[in-house]
Amino acid sequence: TQLLEQSPQFLSIQEGENLTVYCNSSSVFSSLQWYRQEPGEGPVLLVTVVTGGEVKKLKRLTFQFGDARKDSSLHITAAQPGDTGLYLCAGSLSGTYKYIFGTGTRLKVLA
Amino acid sequence: ETGVTQTPRHLVMGMTNKKSLKCEQHLGHNAMYWYKQSAKKPLELMFVYNFKEQTENNSVPSRFSPECPNSSHLFLHLHTLQPEDSALYLCASSQIGQAQPQHFGDGTRLSIL
Repeated sequence: TQLLEQSPQFLSIQEGENLTVYCNSSSVFSSLQWYRQEPGEGPVLLVTVVTGGEVKKLKRLTFQFGDARKDSSLHITAAQPGDTGLYLCAGSLSGTYKYIFGTGTRLKVLA
Repeated sequence: ETGVTQTPRHLVMGMTNKKSLKCEQHLGHNAMYWYKQSAKKPLELMFVYNFKEQTENNSVPSRFSPECPNSSHLFLHLHTLQPEDSALYLCASSQIGQAQPQHFGDGTRLSIL
C-alpha cells in the first residue's frame, strides 16, 4: 500500500514565524500536488509539481519536489493567521490518473 | 457559483435508511471522484468515473453504490450503513490526464446513528 506521510501532524506557531511541512514516501510519483483545506470546506489546490528538483513559489509559500520525486516540502515564510488550515499533499503514481493523499498537517497560526 | 456543488451539506441517518448524496460540477470536466475523509485518516479515494464510466472502485463495501448519469453529475447511494461510515464525503472533478488539478466540493457531513 502506497503511503504518503506528512510531518509534523500538528503545528501551532505565532504570526511572523517560518515553518516547513514535509511529505515523504517510498514511492516515485509522476506529479505531486499540495492542497489547503479550511473547516467546513473542501481542499483547494495550491500547486502542482511535476519535475524532480522543481521549486515553485506562491507569494510566501515555497514548494519543492525532491530530486527522486519521492518527497516534497512546503515552506511558509512569515506565517499569518490566514494560513491556518489543513495542508494535504497528494501524489500521482506513474501510469495512473488518481492521487494518493498524505496524512495531513494541521497548522494553526496565532495572532 | 461554486464549481463543484454537493448536497446535502449535512445528513443524519439511521443504519436502516436509504439516502443519496449528490454532486454537480459546472467546470466542463470529464472525470469525477468520491472521497471519504475521516478523523485521523488520510483522504481515501472511493470511486473514479471517467466519461461516465467507472474506472476505479477502491474496495468499497457494496452498501455504497455510485451512479454517474452524465459527466456533470455524480451520486452516491447509501443503504444499511454502519456507524464507522460516519465521515465527510467529498466529491471532486478534473480533466483526465496527468497532473490535472482536482476541484473539490465542500462535502457532505454524514452521521450514522
